Amino acid sequence: GESVGLHLPTLSVQEGDNSIINCAYSNSASDYFIWYKQESGKGPQFIIDIRSNMDKRQGQRVTVLLNKTVKHLSLQIAATQPGDSAVYFCAERGQNFVFGPGTRLSVLP
Amino acid sequence: GAGVSQSPRYKVAKRGQDVALRCDPISGHVSLFWYQQALGQGPEFLTYFQNEAQLDKSGLPSDRFFAERPEGSVSTLKIQRTQQEDSAVYLCASSLWGGTGRPEQYFGPGTRLTVT
Repeated sequence: GESVGLHLPTLSVQEGDNSIINCAYSNSASDYFIWYKQESGKGPQFIIDIRSNMDKRQGQRVTVLLNKTVKHLSLQIAATQPGDSAVYFCAERGQNFVFGPGTRLSVLP
Repeated sequence: GAGVSQSPRYKVAKRGQDVALRCDPISGHVSLFWYQQALGQGPEFLTYFQNEAQLDKSGLPSDRFFAERPEGSVSTLKIQRTQQEDSAVYLCASSLWGGTGRPEQYFGPGTRLTVT
């Protein structure tokens, strides 16, 4: 399939380490923030979301942190695996959905 | 169960041609979204349907772009008189909830449009 994100910022982590992907958002009125994973040739896949009235939410191996003071969102992936290699996008829901520019996660063996 | 499907997966059009891109959402999903994704960038919102009603079309880049969802299920994105800057991946997503419900969207694989 086609390649997504040829010139994206890249985060390289060792297999088994934890990964932290950061995102800045713009709309303080957004009610939800979402993280998506996109593999080459596929559409984005929902990972986890968080409501604006929360500051932390945990899923399976993933944690999302929301800092409304500085309009910052992060995704933490525990024990990163080769299958986690992909481009990760944050998105916010305000008037409609706005996606960030994306970060490529590369897992090193 | 079946996810969101889109057709065609790849489309090559000559500049000035009209194209129609189809999206089959997950059965029963209320909301349907279209996005445009340029290479190396995040998806950009184009338009949103709740059932058959097009509630937001603020992201459509020009009046050459038109979307419909006449029976509240399948949707078609039409681009008239295609231009080179229309080259992108067009993504469709559906969601069980409408309005202010959970934002969880399920995306299709996209249609890659190349205008020559």
